[in-house]
Order: sequence, then C-alpha cells, then structure tokens
Amino acid sequence: GQQVMQIPQYQHVQEGEDFTTYCNSSTTLSNIQWYKQRPGGHPVFLIQLVKSGEVKKQKRLTFQFGEAKKNSSLHITATQTTDVGTYFCAFSGSARQLTFGSGTQLTVLP
Amino acid sequence: NAGVTQTPKFQVLKTGQSMTLQCAQDMNHEYMSWYRQDPGMGLRLIHYSVGAGITDQGEVPNGYNVSRSTTEDFPLRLLSAAPSQTSVYFCASSYSSGGTDTQYFGPGTRLTVL
Repeated sequence: GQQVMQIPQYQHVQEGEDFTTYCNSSTTLSNIQWYKQRPGGHPVFLIQLVKSGEVKKQKRLTFQFGEAKKNSSLHITATQTTDVGTYFCAFSGSARQLTFGSGTQLTVLP
Repeated sequence: NAGVTQTPKFQVLKTGQSMTLQCAQDMNHEYMSWYRQDPGMGLRLIHYSVGAGITDQGEVPNGYNVSRSTTEDFPLRLLSAAPSQTSVYFCASSYSSGGTDTQYFGPGTRLTVL
C-alpha cells in the first residue's frame, strides 16, 4: 500500500532558529495531513492540504503540498520551546483511516 | 463535549490474558479508528469503522477484534495478549467539513504485556 517517508527523524535547534520536516511518497497522494504530538500526549490535528502546490500558514507554521502531490513540508519560523514535540505527516483514505509517516522529533534548546 | 475518551489510561496484562480497550466519542462522528504507537515510531492502523455495524482491518489487525454497535462506541478487544502488543493505543474519530477531514484523538491507553 501507499507509504510516506518522513525526514529527518530527529532535529535539535536553538530557540529562535527555523525548523523544517519533509514528507515524501513514491505515489501521488490525494491529501496530506500534519499532526503534532507533545511528549506523553496524543496526536493533535494541525492541517490538511489537498491541492497541488497548496501553501497554508498558521502563525509561524507554513505547510506546503508539492506540485506533483508526492511531497509535503512543514516549516516553523523562529522556533519556541512550546514547539517541542513530534511532528507527523499522514494521508487520509476513503474511510478517513490514516497512514502515518514515522515522525520528526523536534527539540528546542533554550 | 468530552470529545474522544479512552479507558483505561494504563493497563498491565499477563501473556494470554484478554481485555477490552474502551473508546467513546460524543461528537456523532461516523468514522472511528484504532492505532498503536510503538516507541520512536509513527502510528499504525489496527482497525477502522465507517459507521455502526461496519468495520474493516487496517495494517496490523492480527490479535485484535473490534465491533461497532453504536455510533458512539468503538471497543478494541485483545484476544490473547502477547508481549509484542505492548504499546500505546489511540482511538480517533473524524468528521468532514468544507473538504477537510478533521481527526480527534483520545488520550491513549498505555498497555504493558508481561
């Protein structure tokens, strides 16, 4: 079945630096979703992208869906300690079931 | 709304025991699903449901059963627990609005099988 690969697995940044995580698929995706999971917590839905080349922003977070709908990225500008957690990409099937990437664990050093 | 609730929060089982993880949502969502998360890994789909009376298998269904008798409840049953089932289990429900499928996850059940 369809899979998504996510890189990097880990990222350590100094507070104030930018952060980017990437999600790649070998096949065209109908959509891509992004989630944030704080340590010890549950995944929290951030956004869904469905259109080729789509870009959406949420404050310091910028989400992109590639032109070929095979890749996506999440970029955080000027990270803060509240950004700590694991960021997952996932795509949703016809029954809203999710296939997740392996996640990028972000550590923000004060 | 309480959202998605899961019980218990923690559970320790011995190999061979059976148990049911409870999941309930009060948002009238048709779609519900179960995932497991192992350390350092993403979530993997166990079973999912598109409505009461309808369930289907996900990526890792072996050793688990589900039923969906009502819209609100989607319990996950471990038939004969094995150490390989030690994991964190998340239940989720979703709805669609304006072309966006929004998923809500429960707080999880942390299961250890000895």
